[in-house]
Amino acid sequence: DADVTQTPRNRITKTGKRIMLECSQTKGHDRMYWYRQDPGLGLRLIYYSFDVKDINKGEISDGYSVSRQAQAKFSLSLESAIPNQTALYFCATADGNQPQHFGDGTRLSIL
Amino acid sequence: QKEVEQNSGPLSVPEGAIASLNCTYSDRGSQSFFWYRQYSGKSPELIMFIYSNGDKEDGRFTAQLNKASQYVSLLIRDSQPSDSATYLCAVNNNYQLIWGAGTKLIIKP
Repeated sequence: DADVTQTPRNRITKTGKRIMLECSQTKGHDRMYWYRQDPGLGLRLIYYSFDVKDINKGEISDGYSVSRQAQAKFSLSLESAIPNQTALYFCATADGNQPQHFGDGTRLSIL
Repeated sequence: QKEVEQNSGPLSVPEGAIASLNCTYSDRGSQSFFWYRQYSGKSPELIMFIYSNGDKEDGRFTAQLNKASQYVSLLIRDSQPSDSATYLCAVNNNYQLIWGAGTKLIIKP
């Protein structure tokens, strides 16, 4: 969905490095989410935000942090990357309780 | 622990037949139910959403919801090879979505 843009699309890095994944949206949605997906598993929620001043931990927030810089921007950071954080990461947005819309994902590999 | 369960599959269906995908959920308070399609390596794409008991039809897709039995299903009529994908069921719970692990659907030409 071009209205939700994730950068970078692919990233390979080393254990211990700090990494930031960025998400921006032009939909004007108030809610933004970060998920990770591992092969054969469903989506797991890392963090979510209902507006700029609202940040909430999801199911698997340990080892991650987020920043909601503006209504349209929501960044995910891995302060010190470890190999088991290798996964496909998705950002999603929603207008209230309406369906979520996803970005194209970031494929992250940590060596 | 609130859960959403799906048969992982793969579910193999001949082209032109009806594919039936099922999902059960544990939280009786859930109000919104979603089906997403995900091609390998791609992002989930919304197919259907349903809020009320009964059937909701959109083209070849029908979502069915039975809150008393806590299940939601997706029927795909006249299945096409392009329908081959993983189908994710998601259930709204306290402003979050709880996701099933998905059912892999294979349409055989």
